[in-house]
Amino acid sequence: DAGVTQSPTHLIKTRGQQVTLRCSPISGHKSVSWYQQVLGQGPQFIFQYYEKEERGRGNFPDRFSARQFPNYSSELNVNALLLGDSALYLCASSLAGAGANVLTFGAGSRLTVL
Amino acid sequence: AQKITQTQPGMFVQEKEAVTLDCTYDTSDPSYGLFWYKQPSSGEMIFLIYQGSYDQQNATEGRYSLNFQKARKSANLVISASQLGDSAMYFCAMRDFHGSSNTGKLIFGQGTTLQVKP
Repeated sequence: DAGVTQSPTHLIKTRGQQVTLRCSPISGHKSVSWYQQVLGQGPQFIFQYYEKEERGRGNFPDRFSARQFPNYSSELNVNALLLGDSALYLCASSLAGAGANVLTFGAGSRLTVL
Repeated sequence: AQKITQTQPGMFVQEKEAVTLDCTYDTSDPSYGLFWYKQPSSGEMIFLIYQGSYDQQNATEGRYSLNFQKARKSANLVISASQLGDSAMYFCAMRDFHGSSNTGKLIFGQGTTLQVKP
Protein backbone atom coordinates (compact mmCIF):
# COMPACT_ATOMS: atom_id res chain seq x y z
CA ASP A 1 0.00 0.00 0.00
CA ALA A 2 1.26 3.44 -0.89
CA GLY A 3 2.15 5.72 1.98
CA VAL A 4 1.97 9.49 2.01
CA THR A 5 3.68 10.79 -1.13
CA GLN A 6 5.11 14.25 -1.52
CA SER A 7 6.52 16.09 -4.49
CA PRO A 8 8.96 17.47 -5.34
CA THR A 9 11.48 15.90 -2.98
CA HIS A 10 14.01 18.69 -3.36
CA LEU A 11 13.79 22.15 -4.86
CA ILE A 12 15.79 25.34 -4.95
CA LYS A 13 14.17 28.76 -5.28
CA THR A 14 15.35 32.35 -5.00
CA ARG A 15 14.01 35.03 -2.71
CA GLY A 16 10.70 36.49 -3.83
CA GLN A 17 9.66 33.47 -5.85
CA GLN A 18 6.64 31.29 -5.21
CA VAL A 19 6.54 27.54 -4.56
CA THR A 20 3.85 24.86 -4.62
CA LEU A 21 4.31 21.60 -2.75
CA ARG A 22 2.06 18.61 -3.29
CA CYS A 23 0.88 15.78 -1.09
CA SER A 24 -1.14 12.62 -1.68
CA PRO A 25 -2.51 11.02 1.50
CA ILE A 26 -2.88 7.35 2.26
CA SER A 27 -5.97 5.96 0.58
CA GLY A 28 -8.97 6.44 2.88
CA HIS A 29 -7.37 9.21 4.91
CA LYS A 30 -9.45 12.38 4.88
CA SER A 31 -7.21 14.65 6.94
CA VAL A 32 -4.00 16.26 5.69
CA SER A 33 -1.66 18.38 7.77
CA TRP A 34 1.42 20.38 6.82
CA TYR A 35 4.46 20.96 9.01
CA GLN A 36 7.63 22.99 8.58
CA GLN A 37 10.85 21.59 10.02
CA VAL A 38 13.82 23.93 10.14
CA LEU A 39 17.20 22.20 10.47
CA GLY A 40 17.87 21.07 14.02
CA GLN A 41 14.34 21.72 15.30
CA GLY A 42 11.08 19.85 15.70
CA PRO A 43 8.30 20.21 13.12
CA GLN A 44 6.01 23.23 13.43
CA PHE A 45 2.32 22.99 12.51
CA ILE A 46 1.27 25.06 9.49
CA PHE A 47 -2.18 23.84 8.39
CA GLN A 48 -4.67 21.06 8.80
CA TYR A 49 -7.43 20.19 6.35
CA TYR A 50 -10.21 17.72 6.98
CA GLU A 51 -12.88 16.90 4.41
CA LYS A 52 -11.60 19.78 2.26
CA GLU A 53 -12.11 22.39 4.96
CA GLU A 54 -9.38 24.17 6.91
CA ARG A 55 -9.51 22.92 10.49
CA GLY A 56 -6.46 24.62 11.91
CA ARG A 57 -3.73 27.10 11.12
CA GLY A 58 -0.44 27.60 12.88
CA ASN A 59 1.44 30.82 13.51
CA PHE A 60 2.59 31.42 9.94
CA PRO A 61 2.18 34.55 7.79
CA ASP A 62 -0.42 34.91 5.06
CA ARG A 63 2.27 34.10 2.50
CA PHE A 64 1.50 30.49 3.38
CA SER A 65 -1.71 29.01 2.01
CA ALA A 66 -3.05 25.55 1.32
CA ARG A 67 -6.00 23.69 -0.05
CA GLN A 68 -7.38 20.17 -0.18
CA PHE A 69 -8.93 18.69 -3.29
CA PRO A 70 -11.96 16.37 -3.65
CA ASN A 71 -9.61 13.37 -3.80
CA TYR A 72 -8.11 14.54 -0.46
CA SER A 73 -4.73 15.41 -1.94
CA SER A 74 -3.37 18.76 -0.89
CA GLU A 75 -1.13 21.62 -1.99
CA LEU A 76 0.88 24.02 0.12
CA ASN A 77 1.75 27.36 -1.48
CA VAL A 78 4.32 29.81 -0.23
CA ASN A 79 4.56 33.25 -1.86
CA ALA A 80 7.33 35.84 -1.72
CA LEU A 81 9.89 33.36 -0.43
CA LEU A 82 12.34 34.44 2.25
CA LEU A 83 15.66 32.86 3.19
CA GLY A 84 14.03 31.74 6.44
CA ASP A 85 11.53 29.61 4.53
CA SER A 86 14.32 27.11 3.80
CA ALA A 87 13.19 23.94 5.54
CA LEU A 88 11.85 20.43 5.19
CA TYR A 89 8.11 20.59 4.58
CA LEU A 90 6.31 17.54 5.85
CA CYS A 91 2.85 16.40 4.92
CA ALA A 92 0.93 13.99 7.14
CA SER A 93 -2.38 12.23 6.73
CA SER A 94 -4.77 10.56 9.14
CA LEU A 95 -8.17 8.92 9.08
CA ALA A 96 -9.90 11.61 11.09
CA GLY A 97 -9.13 15.15 12.03
CA ALA A 98 -8.19 14.97 15.70
CA GLY A 99 -8.27 12.87 18.82
CA ALA A 100 -6.05 9.83 19.10
CA ASN A 101 -5.56 9.51 15.36
CA VAL A 102 -1.97 8.84 14.41
CA LEU A 103 -0.39 11.03 11.75
CA THR A 104 1.46 9.20 9.00
CA PHE A 105 4.12 11.41 7.48
CA GLY A 106 5.61 11.57 4.03
CA ALA A 107 9.33 11.87 3.35
CA GLY A 108 9.04 15.62 2.92
CA SER A 109 9.94 18.29 0.39
CA ARG A 110 13.25 19.96 1.11
CA LEU A 111 13.11 23.61 0.07
CA THR A 112 16.22 25.74 -0.23
CA VAL A 113 15.78 29.47 -0.74
CA LEU A 114 18.83 31.33 -2.07
CA ALA B 1 0.05 26.81 26.62
CA GLN B 2 0.99 23.40 25.32
CA LYS B 3 4.69 22.64 25.41
CA ILE B 4 6.96 19.64 24.94
CA THR B 5 10.48 19.63 26.39
CA GLN B 6 13.21 17.19 25.42
CA THR B 7 16.31 18.06 27.42
CA GLN B 8 18.76 15.59 25.85
CA PRO B 9 20.10 16.94 22.56
CA GLY B 10 22.18 13.80 22.01
CA MET B 11 22.48 10.33 23.51
CA PHE B 12 24.82 7.38 22.98
CA VAL B 13 23.98 3.76 23.74
CA GLN B 14 25.83 0.53 23.23
CA GLU B 15 24.24 -1.98 20.88
CA LYS B 16 21.92 -4.44 22.72
CA GLU B 17 21.57 -2.17 25.73
CA ALA B 18 18.42 -0.27 26.77
CA VAL B 19 18.14 3.53 26.58
CA THR B 20 15.63 6.06 27.93
CA LEU B 21 14.79 9.26 26.07
CA ASP B 22 13.25 11.95 28.25
CA CYS B 23 10.12 13.98 27.50
CA THR B 24 8.16 16.35 29.70
CA TYR B 25 5.01 18.15 28.65
CA ASP B 26 2.72 20.92 29.76
CA THR B 27 -0.99 21.28 29.08
CA SER B 28 -4.10 22.43 30.88
CA ASP B 29 -6.34 19.99 29.00
CA PRO B 30 -7.19 16.86 31.03
CA SER B 31 -7.60 14.85 27.82
CA TYR B 32 -4.59 14.55 25.56
CA GLY B 33 -2.39 12.15 23.67
CA LEU B 34 1.36 11.69 23.62
CA PHE B 35 3.24 10.37 20.61
CA TRP B 36 6.81 9.38 19.84
CA TYR B 37 8.24 9.55 16.32
CA LYS B 38 11.58 8.47 14.88
CA GLN B 39 13.23 10.47 12.11
CA PRO B 40 16.13 8.81 10.30
CA SER B 41 18.47 10.86 8.14
CA SER B 42 16.11 10.27 5.19
CA GLY B 43 13.69 12.73 6.80
CA GLU B 44 10.51 10.66 7.08
CA MET B 45 8.84 10.73 10.49
CA ILE B 46 8.02 7.20 11.63
CA PHE B 47 5.37 6.67 14.31
CA LEU B 48 6.56 4.53 17.23
CA ILE B 49 4.11 4.59 20.11
CA TYR B 50 1.05 6.38 21.54
CA GLN B 51 -0.18 7.01 25.09
CA GLY B 52 -3.56 8.52 25.97
CA SER B 53 -3.89 10.59 29.11
CA TYR B 54 -6.58 8.28 30.51
CA ASP B 55 -4.85 5.03 29.62
CA GLN B 56 -4.34 2.99 32.77
CA GLN B 57 -1.29 1.10 31.57
CA ASN B 58 1.93 2.26 29.98
CA ALA B 59 1.97 1.70 26.23
CA THR B 60 4.27 -0.90 24.68
CA GLU B 61 5.05 -1.66 21.04
CA GLY B 62 7.68 -4.35 20.53
CA ARG B 63 11.01 -2.99 21.78
CA TYR B 64 9.45 0.40 22.56
CA SER B 65 7.70 1.24 25.80
CA LEU B 66 6.49 4.51 27.22
CA ASN B 67 7.13 5.33 30.88
CA PHE B 68 4.10 7.57 31.51
CA GLN B 69 4.11 9.48 34.80
CA LYS B 70 1.06 11.72 34.68
CA ALA B 71 1.65 13.58 37.95
CA ARG B 72 5.16 14.49 36.81
CA LYS B 73 3.93 15.23 33.27
CA SER B 74 6.58 13.01 31.77
CA ALA B 75 6.39 10.49 28.95
CA ASN B 76 9.81 8.93 28.53
CA LEU B 77 10.51 6.49 25.68
CA VAL B 78 12.39 3.32 26.56
CA ILE B 79 14.07 1.38 23.77
CA SER B 80 15.19 -2.08 24.79
CA ALA B 81 17.94 -4.11 23.11
CA SER B 82 19.17 -1.22 20.95
CA GLN B 83 20.07 -1.95 17.34
CA LEU B 84 22.32 -0.04 14.95
CA GLY B 85 19.22 0.86 12.94
CA ASP B 86 17.84 2.74 15.93
CA SER B 87 20.32 5.55 15.29
CA ALA B 88 18.09 8.50 14.42
CA MET B 89 16.40 11.64 15.77
CA TYR B 90 13.52 10.97 18.17
CA PHE B 91 10.66 13.39 18.73
CA CYS B 92 8.07 13.50 21.48
CA ALA B 93 4.78 15.15 20.50
CA MET B 94 1.44 15.99 22.11
CA ARG B 95 -2.10 16.71 21.01
CA ASP B 96 -4.87 18.20 23.19
CA PHE B 97 -8.30 16.64 22.60
CA HIS B 98 -10.65 19.41 23.67
CA GLY B 99 -11.33 23.08 23.32
CA SER B 100 -10.46 25.35 20.45
CA SER B 101 -7.13 23.63 20.02
CA ASN B 102 -8.71 20.35 18.98
CA THR B 103 -7.53 20.63 15.41
CA GLY B 104 -5.46 17.49 15.29
CA LYS B 105 -2.33 19.59 15.48
CA LEU B 106 0.73 18.02 17.10
CA ILE B 107 3.15 20.00 19.23
CA PHE B 108 6.67 18.59 18.87
CA GLY B 109 9.70 18.83 21.12
CA GLN B 110 13.19 19.74 19.90
CA GLY B 111 14.18 16.12 19.51
CA THR B 112 16.96 13.87 20.79
CA THR B 113 19.63 12.41 18.52
CA LEU B 114 20.37 8.80 19.43
CA GLN B 115 23.53 7.07 18.27
CA VAL B 116 23.90 3.34 18.78
CA LYS B 117 27.50 2.13 19.03
CA PRO B 118 28.50 -1.33 17.80
